Amino acid sequence: ETGVTQSPTHLIKTRGQQVTLRCSSQSGHNTVSWYQQALGQGPQFIFQYYREEENGRGNFPPRFSGLQFPNYSSELNVNALELDDSALYLCASSFKDGTNEKLFFGSGTQLSVL
Amino acid sequence: GNSVTQMEGPVTLSEEAFLTINCTYTATGYPSLFWYVQYPGEGLQLLLKATKADDKGSNKGFEATYRKETTSFHLEKGSVQVSDSAVYFCALNTYNNNDMRFGAGTRLTVKP
Repeated sequence: ETGVTQSPTHLIKTRGQQVTLRCSSQSGHNTVSWYQQALGQGPQFIFQYYREEENGRGNFPPRFSGLQFPNYSSELNVNALELDDSALYLCASSFKDGTNEKLFFGSGTQLSVL
Repeated sequence: GNSVTQMEGPVTLSEEAFLTINCTYTATGYPSLFWYVQYPGEGLQLLLKATKADDKGSNKGFEATYRKETTSFHLEKGSVQVSDSAVYFCALNTYNNNDMRFGAGTRLTVKP
């Protein structure tokens, strides 16, 4: 049990729609990272938020956006959904203190785009 | 750029067999190396890590040694159990830790 919770666990959307995924960080953590895991693949880094600001971004288009709130919870928003956005979306929280901190992952949100 | 390559699966073993899952990496600078495990329906859990060359990470009977000369971080376990059935991911990050890079994962199935 990592203390990182994600909602919803499953979601079905149609192409062109917008979706918001939510993540509640482990207590005491100040950093949230989002990953996309396609079926049979390893997680791919989307972006990271540290103290409510984006702190690094992977190779994802601008229609992937995020927020981090003062309580360090986070949202991932995806606009204009495409079929290839179907994947497991993982949130990971950590405490950034200048070392290679350990990531704690939630169980993910399984998004299906039809 | 930084990347991780791990042996493709699936790997199927009998209980008490020896396990090796190969992992090699490419990185600029001095990365930290990790093995994560993902059980069905769950997120990733850190299994072990090593932060510098020649370090050995170990946990729950699994171990891996950071080999800078061969850029490798192979996962081993002397005697696997059915409960070890899962997908294993090799990963690396560098100091700033904005972007953990994962391999494609290796599915392990252990049969009684």
